[in-house]
Amino acid sequence: ELKVEQNPLFLSMQEGKNYTIYCNYSTTSDRLYWYRQDPGKSLESLFVLLSNGAVKQEGRLMASLDTKARLSTLHITAAVHDLSATYFCAVRGNYGQNFVFGPGTRLSVLP
Amino acid sequence: DTEVTQTPKHLVMGMTNKKSLKCEQHMGHRAMYWYKQKAKKPPELMFVYSYEKLSINESVPSRFSPECPNSSLLNLHLHALQPEDSALYLCASSRGLAGGLTNEQFFGPGTRLTVL
Repeated sequence: ELKVEQNPLFLSMQEGKNYTIYCNYSTTSDRLYWYRQDPGKSLESLFVLLSNGAVKQEGRLMASLDTKARLSTLHITAAVHDLSATYFCAVRGNYGQNFVFGPGTRLSVLP
Repeated sequence: DTEVTQTPKHLVMGMTNKKSLKCEQHMGHRAMYWYKQKAKKPPELMFVYSYEKLSINESVPSRFSPECPNSSLLNLHLHALQPEDSALYLCASSRGLAGGLTNEQFFGPGTRLTVL
């Protein structure tokens, strides 16, 4: 059974600081997705990571994938209040397993 | 058009009612999905359609009945729901499920369902 974990589940940080969110998954996969969700809203696709060593950056967010360690990271650089949201990673297993989301990391960036 | 639309935005129904949720996309995507999301929880996959055929049913109770009339439309028919079915129902689409594709999913705004 494919399981996806995220760490931390809650993150409160000050503006200007850096931090990393971790996503671990339990079975082989070469596709990992990061989504953002604002309260009461739908999910916005941030990154699609397709291969080992993939790194993608958009603004203050950078995501990477290590398929051997079954680990993805979402790094936040110089956080701003607008980044406050819940961030989900999601994985689809290599053997046709379904899409499984992690529990989400609720990020709050304080002034 | 790069958007997934869902109607209605909000729905309140009794346990004996029959209602339907509608999802539409015009991106030429051939895979469409229904998810259920409870408050402060991640989305849970319910159904996946690929080329208008049901590909995945995640052991969803029969009171939820999906339908894909064509490649752009996805419906979710609701009947005899329970209060615990109250949730945000999200539709998504992707180019397809084939191994060579990214399967990046684009989500609609959701229907917030309340069952009384």
